[in-house]
This record gives sequence, C-alpha cells and structure tokens, in this order.
Amino acid sequence: KAGVTQTPRYLIKTRGQQVTLSCSPISGHRSVSWYQQTPGQGLQFLFEYFSETQRNKGNFPGRFSGRQFSNSRSEMNVSTLELGDSALYLCASSLLGATEAFFGQGTRLTVV
Amino acid sequence: GQQLNQSPQSMFIQEGEDVSMNCTSSSIFNTWLWYKQDPGEGPVLLIALYKAGELTSNGRLTAQFGITRKDSFLNISASIPSDVGIYFCAGQDGSSNTGKLIFGQGTTLQVKP
Repeated sequence: KAGVTQTPRYLIKTRGQQVTLSCSPISGHRSVSWYQQTPGQGLQFLFEYFSETQRNKGNFPGRFSGRQFSNSRSEMNVSTLELGDSALYLCASSLLGATEAFFGQGTRLTVV
Repeated sequence: GQQLNQSPQSMFIQEGEDVSMNCTSSSIFNTWLWYKQDPGEGPVLLIALYKAGELTSNGRLTAQFGITRKDSFLNISASIPSDVGIYFCAGQDGSSNTGKLIFGQGTTLQVKP
C-alpha cells in the first residue's frame, strides 16, 4: 500500500508569490491534515479536510488555504508569500480523522 | 490553547542504554501518538495509544497512556545507532472527533556507538 505522497519535495519562491502544494493520502483514507514545521515553532496544525470539507482550522492567517477533492487528494495554497513562510509543510492522512495519522515526506518551501 | 510539554529536550546516550521521555498536557487527550523524525523526512508513526492506562509495545519501544489522560511516556530499550532522530509526542483533541494533533517540542536523541 502506497504511503502519503507530497509534491513537490522542494520549492523556492520569491516574496509576494503564491504557491500550491499537493498531497495524495493513503488509499482509503478520507481525512487529510496539513502542518507547518519550523525550528522555532515546531509542528503546528494548519487545517484538516474530511470528505471535501474543512473540518478544523489552526491559527494561521487567511493567506493559507486548502481544499480537498472527491478522490481525497488535497492541496494547500499560500498567497503573498513572506520570508517567515519558509518551512517544511507536512501532510498527514488518516482513515476517519480521530485515528492514527500517517505523514508524507513533506515539501520544503524556501521563500527568498 | 492546548500545550504539550515534552522532556527532555535532548539526550546523548551510549549504545545499549535505555531511554525514557515523556509528555504532559494541560488538557485531556483521547489519543496519544509517538513519532520519530529523521532529518529532511516526515514523522513516522511509532506507537498509538487510545485508552487511559494502556501500555503498548512495538519491538524495543514501549509507551503508556497516563491514567489522567494528560500524560504519556515512551521508553526505548537497548538503544542502537539507528535510534538517532527526533521523537515527538502528539495528542489528539479530547473534545472533538477531528484529526487535529497537538505536538510536543520534540526530544533529540543521539546515540554514541
């Protein structure tokens, strides 16, 4: 069974640009969550999608958004990038949400 | 908001030694998860705990869900060099049935051969 796949693995963007990250969950998993990991703040919850609906949202500005498609694949978008958005963005999938969560390898975003 | 305090922050041990790390929370969790993360990779799930008092093993790893539902510990027995990495505890919100995880700050483990 394939694991959680995130693309791309690495990304370099310029301040002010926007970026879209993609996540394909484990087959059969309906819940997809996104996390931001930085050395200073650690792992912080961005949002969770379940059956194409955002079920929970973390404390991030509106520049961070996401969506989930009918096949459970998810994308997250960050608009008007800031230097502080440089981080490892991780996607996790789980069967229903309140169960074991499995992470992808992450997308390393660098904003210059 | 909810916070998890994980300790110790780092450990430097000799190969073969046992390791213990723990997490405490200011609020109740329904689920405790323990992850290991290698540099540049995503966290890998080690152990999941679902019931207060539950003690679960996975090879040389043992974890327990505290009776109060506000704490958990992870033990690694007979450490080996490949145990090197960052270990995270994560709690799942006890008040809602969502996938949101609250993470501890991590314990960095270094093993000297």
